[in-house]
Amino acid sequence: DAGVIQSPRHEVTEMGQEVTLRCKPISGHNSLFWYRQTMMRGLELLIYFNNNVPIDDSGMPEDRFSAKMPNASFSTLKIQPSEPRDSAVYFCASSLHREDQPQHFGDGTRLSIL
Amino acid sequence: SQQGEEDPQALSIQEGENATMNCSYKTSINNLQWYRQNSGRGLVHLILIRSNEREKHSGRLRVTLDTSKKSSSLLITASRAADTASYFCATELGSYNTDKLIFGTGTRLQVFP
Repeated sequence: DAGVIQSPRHEVTEMGQEVTLRCKPISGHNSLFWYRQTMMRGLELLIYFNNNVPIDDSGMPEDRFSAKMPNASFSTLKIQPSEPRDSAVYFCASSLHREDQPQHFGDGTRLSIL
Repeated sequence: SQQGEEDPQALSIQEGENATMNCSYKTSINNLQWYRQNSGRGLVHLILIRSNEREKHSGRLRVTLDTSKKSSSLLITASRAADTASYFCATELGSYNTDKLIFGTGTRLQVFP
């Protein structure tokens, strides 16, 4: 079975550019999570969706960040405009919306903003 | 601030030895989970222990949970070089927060052949 698929795996872009990260969750999973991982701050939850609806976006750092889930099999995380401090590894994870369910992670997008 | 704090931050052992990692958390939980992250990869779920459980085993893994002390430990027995990775605890909070996990700071484990 395919796991969570993220694209691109690596992204290098200049400050001020728009960045779009993509995620395909595991088929049948109805919760989707976006995380950011840095050495300084560890793994931070940015936003999560349940049945395509954003439930908690309290971790989104500022208005430059936005996330959408137009259907059950696709989500995007967009940064506009990007800044060097946004450089990090961004992970998408999915799970079943039930208690005691593990999350399944993609291999992440390594983002570098120059 | 992080819900989970893990210690040690880093651990180096020889193959065949046991590795123990600890996790402390701050609020009441539904369950506690342990994940492994290999370099350059996403996190992989290892084991979940519910708040009403005290100990759980899965292969070479043993997890304990002490809700009175708000702490958990992960023991990897007879370690192998392939166990080299970072290990994270994650807590699922009260029922109204179902789904959301708060991750700890992680322990970097190095197993030397």
